[in-house]
Amino acid sequence: AAGVIQSPRHLIKEKRETATLKCYPIPRHDTVYWYQQGPGQDPQFLISFYEKMQSDKGSIPDRFSAQQFSDYHSELNMSSLELGDSALYFCASSYRATERGSYEQYFGPGTRLTVT
Amino acid sequence: AQSVTQLDSQVPVFEEAPVELRCNYSSSVSVYLFWYVQYPNQGLQLLLKYLSGSTLVKGINGFEAEFNKSQTSFHLRKPSVHISDTAEYFCAVSTAPNTGNQFYFGTGTSLTVIP
Repeated sequence: AAGVIQSPRHLIKEKRETATLKCYPIPRHDTVYWYQQGPGQDPQFLISFYEKMQSDKGSIPDRFSAQQFSDYHSELNMSSLELGDSALYFCASSYRATERGSYEQYFGPGTRLTVT
Repeated sequence: AQSVTQLDSQVPVFEEAPVELRCNYSSSVSVYLFWYVQYPNQGLQLLLKYLSGSTLVKGINGFEAEFNKSQTSFHLRKPSVHISDTAEYFCAVSTAPNTGNQFYFGTGTSLTVIP
Protein backbone atom coordinates (compact mmCIF):
# COMPACT_ATOMS: atom_id res chain seq x y z
CA ALA A 1 0.00 0.00 0.00
CA ALA A 2 1.14 3.55 -0.67
CA GLY A 3 2.63 5.38 2.28
CA VAL A 4 3.51 8.93 3.15
CA ILE A 5 6.55 10.11 1.23
CA GLN A 6 8.94 12.69 2.55
CA SER A 7 11.84 14.27 0.77
CA PRO A 8 14.64 14.67 1.22
CA ARG A 9 15.37 11.98 3.80
CA HIS A 10 18.48 13.76 4.99
CA LEU A 11 19.44 17.40 4.76
CA ILE A 12 22.47 19.27 6.00
CA LYS A 13 22.35 23.05 6.17
CA GLU A 14 24.40 25.78 7.75
CA LYS A 15 23.15 28.34 10.23
CA ARG A 16 21.06 31.10 8.72
CA GLU A 17 20.34 29.08 5.59
CA THR A 18 16.91 28.09 4.32
CA ALA A 19 15.46 24.60 3.98
CA THR A 20 12.35 23.20 2.34
CA LEU A 21 10.91 19.86 3.34
CA LYS A 22 8.31 18.13 1.21
CA CYS A 23 5.55 15.72 2.13
CA TYR A 24 3.36 13.67 -0.18
CA PRO A 25 0.36 12.21 1.69
CA ILE A 26 -1.28 8.89 1.04
CA PRO A 27 -3.60 9.17 -1.99
CA ARG A 28 -7.06 10.50 -1.07
CA HIS A 29 -5.87 11.75 2.31
CA ASP A 30 -6.91 15.36 2.75
CA THR A 31 -5.10 16.30 5.95
CA VAL A 32 -1.40 16.76 6.53
CA TYR A 33 0.40 17.27 9.85
CA TRP A 34 3.98 18.29 10.57
CA TYR A 35 5.87 17.23 13.69
CA GLN A 36 9.35 17.98 14.98
CA GLN A 37 11.25 15.39 17.00
CA GLY A 38 14.41 16.61 18.68
CA PRO A 39 17.12 14.16 19.77
CA GLY A 40 15.75 11.85 22.45
CA GLN A 41 12.43 13.70 22.56
CA ASP A 42 8.85 13.01 21.65
CA PRO A 43 7.37 14.40 18.45
CA GLN A 44 6.00 17.92 18.85
CA PHE A 45 3.13 19.09 16.68
CA LEU A 46 3.98 22.04 14.44
CA ILE A 47 1.09 22.67 12.08
CA SER A 48 -1.64 20.93 10.10
CA PHE A 49 -3.62 21.52 6.94
CA TYR A 50 -7.03 20.30 5.87
CA GLU A 51 -8.15 20.73 2.28
CA LYS A 52 -5.30 23.16 1.65
CA MET A 53 -6.22 25.41 4.55
CA GLN A 54 -4.32 25.67 7.80
CA SER A 55 -6.43 23.88 10.38
CA ASP A 56 -4.32 23.92 13.53
CA LYS A 57 -1.11 25.45 14.73
CA GLY A 58 1.24 24.17 17.38
CA SER A 59 4.74 25.12 18.41
CA ILE A 60 5.90 26.25 14.99
CA PRO A 61 8.47 29.08 15.10
CA ASP A 62 7.74 32.26 13.18
CA ARG A 63 10.77 31.47 11.01
CA PHE A 64 8.91 28.46 9.64
CA SER A 65 6.00 28.46 7.26
CA ALA A 66 4.07 25.75 5.52
CA GLN A 67 1.38 25.25 2.96
CA GLN A 68 -0.63 22.53 1.31
CA PHE A 69 -0.97 22.57 -2.45
CA SER A 70 -3.80 21.63 -4.79
CA ASP A 71 -2.45 18.09 -5.15
CA TYR A 72 -2.46 17.85 -1.32
CA HIS A 73 1.29 17.66 -0.97
CA SER A 74 2.73 19.97 1.66
CA GLU A 75 5.96 21.89 2.07
CA LEU A 76 7.56 23.12 5.27
CA ASN A 77 9.79 26.13 4.69
CA MET A 78 12.38 26.91 7.31
CA SER A 79 14.40 30.11 7.21
CA SER A 80 17.27 31.54 9.28
CA LEU A 81 18.10 28.07 10.47
CA GLU A 82 19.50 27.67 13.97
CA LEU A 83 21.47 24.84 15.51
CA GLY A 84 18.43 23.99 17.62
CA ASP A 85 16.42 23.26 14.49
CA SER A 86 18.39 20.05 14.02
CA ALA A 87 15.76 17.36 14.38
CA LEU A 88 13.73 14.69 12.66
CA TYR A 89 10.73 16.24 10.93
CA PHE A 90 7.77 13.98 10.41
CA CYS A 91 4.86 14.45 8.14
CA ALA A 92 1.65 12.52 8.75
CA SER A 93 -1.53 12.30 6.76
CA SER A 94 -5.07 11.25 7.44
CA TYR A 95 -8.49 11.26 5.86
CA ARG A 96 -10.87 13.40 7.82
CA ALA A 97 -14.30 11.87 7.85
CA THR A 98 -17.33 11.97 10.04
CA GLU A 99 -16.87 8.36 11.11
CA ARG A 100 -14.79 8.07 14.25
CA GLY A 101 -12.69 5.37 12.74
CA SER A 102 -10.92 7.63 10.31
CA TYR A 103 -8.62 9.69 12.50
CA GLU A 104 -5.57 7.52 12.44
CA GLN A 105 -2.49 9.40 11.32
CA TYR A 106 -0.05 7.68 9.01
CA PHE A 107 3.50 8.88 9.46
CA GLY A 108 6.19 9.23 6.87
CA PRO A 109 9.79 8.12 7.47
CA GLY A 110 10.87 11.63 8.38
CA THR A 111 13.47 14.10 7.14
CA ARG A 112 16.54 14.36 9.31
CA LEU A 113 17.73 17.96 9.27
CA THR A 114 21.19 18.76 10.57
CA VAL A 115 22.14 22.39 11.00
CA THR A 116 25.86 23.05 11.35
CA ALA B 1 -5.46 20.80 27.21
CA GLN B 2 -4.31 17.26 26.79
CA SER B 3 -1.16 15.63 28.06
CA VAL B 4 0.37 12.19 28.06
CA THR B 5 2.66 10.67 30.65
CA GLN B 6 4.73 7.60 30.00
CA LEU B 7 5.89 6.56 33.40
CA ASP B 8 8.93 4.55 32.36
CA SER B 9 11.60 6.06 30.15
CA GLN B 10 13.50 2.78 29.83
CA VAL B 11 12.30 -0.79 30.23
CA PRO B 12 14.75 -3.67 29.96
CA VAL B 13 13.19 -7.11 29.73
CA PHE B 14 14.45 -10.58 28.96
CA GLU B 15 13.45 -12.31 25.75
CA GLU B 16 10.17 -14.27 26.01
CA ALA B 17 9.21 -12.45 29.21
CA PRO B 18 6.02 -10.37 29.41
CA VAL B 19 6.18 -6.58 29.32
CA GLU B 20 3.90 -3.68 30.18
CA LEU B 21 4.56 -0.13 29.07
CA ARG B 22 2.53 2.38 31.02
CA CYS B 23 0.69 5.38 29.67
CA ASN B 24 -1.55 7.83 31.49
CA TYR B 25 -3.31 10.74 29.92
CA SER B 26 -5.04 13.90 31.02
CA SER B 27 -7.93 15.44 29.14
CA SER B 28 -11.16 17.25 29.86
CA VAL B 29 -12.84 15.78 26.79
CA SER B 30 -13.13 12.39 25.19
CA VAL B 31 -9.93 11.18 23.63
CA TYR B 32 -8.70 8.73 21.10
CA LEU B 33 -5.61 6.79 22.14
CA PHE B 34 -2.76 5.35 20.13
CA TRP B 35 0.48 3.49 20.56
CA TYR B 36 3.24 3.97 18.00
CA VAL B 37 6.57 2.18 17.68
CA GLN B 38 9.72 3.76 16.32
CA TYR B 39 12.66 1.60 15.31
CA PRO B 40 16.09 3.24 15.11
CA ASN B 41 16.31 5.83 12.34
CA GLN B 42 12.81 5.08 11.16
CA GLY B 43 9.40 6.70 11.26
CA LEU B 44 6.46 6.02 13.54
CA GLN B 45 4.45 2.88 12.95
CA LEU B 46 1.00 2.43 14.43
CA LEU B 47 0.74 -0.51 16.82
CA LEU B 48 -2.86 -0.13 17.89
CA LYS B 49 -5.56 2.41 18.61
CA TYR B 50 -8.59 2.91 20.80
CA LEU B 51 -11.44 4.93 19.33
CA SER B 52 -14.51 3.43 20.99
CA GLY B 53 -16.09 0.12 21.90
CA SER B 54 -14.22 -2.68 23.59
CA THR B 55 -11.64 -1.38 26.02
CA LEU B 56 -9.21 -4.18 25.16
CA VAL B 57 -7.53 -3.44 21.88
CA LYS B 58 -5.32 -5.83 19.96
CA GLY B 59 -2.66 -4.58 17.60
CA ILE B 60 0.14 -5.80 15.42
CA ASN B 61 3.10 -7.92 16.52
CA GLY B 62 1.16 -9.48 19.40
CA PHE B 63 0.69 -6.24 21.34
CA GLU B 64 -2.50 -5.29 23.10
CA ALA B 65 -3.63 -2.39 25.27
CA GLU B 66 -6.47 -1.73 27.65
CA PHE B 67 -8.27 1.55 27.96
CA ASN B 68 -9.21 2.36 31.54
CA LYS B 69 -11.29 5.51 31.70
CA SER B 70 -11.46 5.71 35.48
CA GLN B 71 -7.69 5.50 35.78
CA THR B 72 -7.11 7.49 32.57
CA SER B 73 -4.65 4.87 31.43
CA PHE B 74 -3.85 3.03 28.24
CA HIS B 75 -1.12 0.55 29.10
CA LEU B 76 0.54 -1.52 26.40
CA ARG B 77 1.25 -5.19 26.99
CA LYS B 78 2.83 -8.17 25.29
CA PRO B 79 2.89 -11.63 26.86
CA SER B 80 6.21 -12.67 25.33
CA VAL B 81 8.69 -10.25 23.79
CA HIS B 82 11.19 -10.88 21.03
CA ILE B 83 14.54 -9.30 20.30
CA SER B 84 12.91 -7.53 17.36
CA ASP B 85 10.62 -5.64 19.76
CA THR B 86 13.56 -3.49 20.88
CA ALA B 87 12.46 0.01 19.92
CA GLU B 88 11.04 3.28 21.20
CA TYR B 89 7.33 3.23 22.02
CA PHE B 90 5.16 6.34 22.06
CA CYS B 91 1.70 6.74 23.51
CA ALA B 92 -0.41 9.47 21.89
CA VAL B 93 -3.83 11.04 22.35
CA SER B 94 -6.00 13.14 20.11
CA THR B 95 -9.36 14.79 20.54
CA ALA B 96 -10.87 14.44 17.08
CA PRO B 97 -13.48 14.81 15.59
CA ASN B 98 -12.88 18.48 16.25
CA THR B 99 -10.82 20.40 13.75
CA GLY B 100 -7.09 19.95 13.97
CA ASN B 101 -6.81 16.47 15.38
CA GLN B 102 -3.24 17.08 16.44
CA PHE B 103 -1.59 14.30 18.38
CA TYR B 104 -0.08 14.80 21.81
CA PHE B 105 2.76 12.36 22.39
CA GLY B 106 4.30 11.05 25.56
CA THR B 107 8.05 11.25 26.00
CA GLY B 108 8.48 7.67 24.91
CA THR B 109 9.58 4.41 26.50
CA SER B 110 12.71 2.71 25.28
CA LEU B 111 12.14 -1.04 25.34
CA THR B 112 15.28 -3.17 25.30
CA VAL B 113 14.86 -6.91 24.97
CA ILE B 114 17.79 -8.82 26.44
CA PRO B 115 18.71 -12.18 24.91
